[in-house]
Amino acid sequence: KNEVEQSPQNLTAQEGEFITINCSYSVGISALHWLQQHPGGGIVSLFMLSSGKKKHGRLIATINIQEKHSSLHITASHPRDSAVYICAVKEGAQKLVFGQGTRLTINP
Amino acid sequence: GAGVSQTPSNKVTEKGKYVELRCDPISGHTALYWYRQSLGQGPEFLIYFQGTGAADDSGLPNDRFFAVRPEGSVSTLKIQRTERGDSAVYLCASSLRAGVDTQYFGPGTRLTVL
Repeated sequence: KNEVEQSPQNLTAQEGEFITINCSYSVGISALHWLQQHPGGGIVSLFMLSSGKKKHGRLIATINIQEKHSSLHITASHPRDSAVYICAVKEGAQKLVFGQGTRLTINP
Repeated sequence: GAGVSQTPSNKVTEKGKYVELRCDPISGHTALYWYRQSLGQGPEFLIYFQGTGAADDSGLPNDRFFAVRPEGSVSTLKIQRTERGDSAVYLCASSLRAGVDTQYFGPGTRLTVL
């Protein structure tokens, strides 16, 4: 079973700061997801990636398959980015194994 | 179009009772997933359907948990003889095709067992 670890568990920053959230996993995978969960529970898929880098607006996700590591970056952070960010890896054909999440708070 | 919907949004029950949680996936999505999220933790996989059949139920914690998807659309997660440890948010997700497409999550059902 894949062990998915995220760091940090909690992160507080000021508006405008560059944010990095890290995810490492123990077993080789075919795909990794970054998800955003706002208070109240709704989960939104941000990225699904299997190699290299993807960018969407102020969000950038990278993955290094050899090192079993992925990072999620947020540029020019804003209070509305405050949420829990969850990394999940695909185990087998369909099952997702999730990290414990990183709680991000951006203060104005 | 409409997203994944789950009902009820909140369910409070007493220990030992039976509960049913419903998930309506996005129309046309063939894959449906159930997850459970305890407070402060990431979601945990429970079961995955491809069409009407449960393709992987390895995450169901014990035989008190059962899920069905009889017509390949709506799914019901059933929990018998509920225990306090079953209290969690139960999340449903669907994807167009299994394994290759983005999963879209519902808002979850918060189950509290007293």
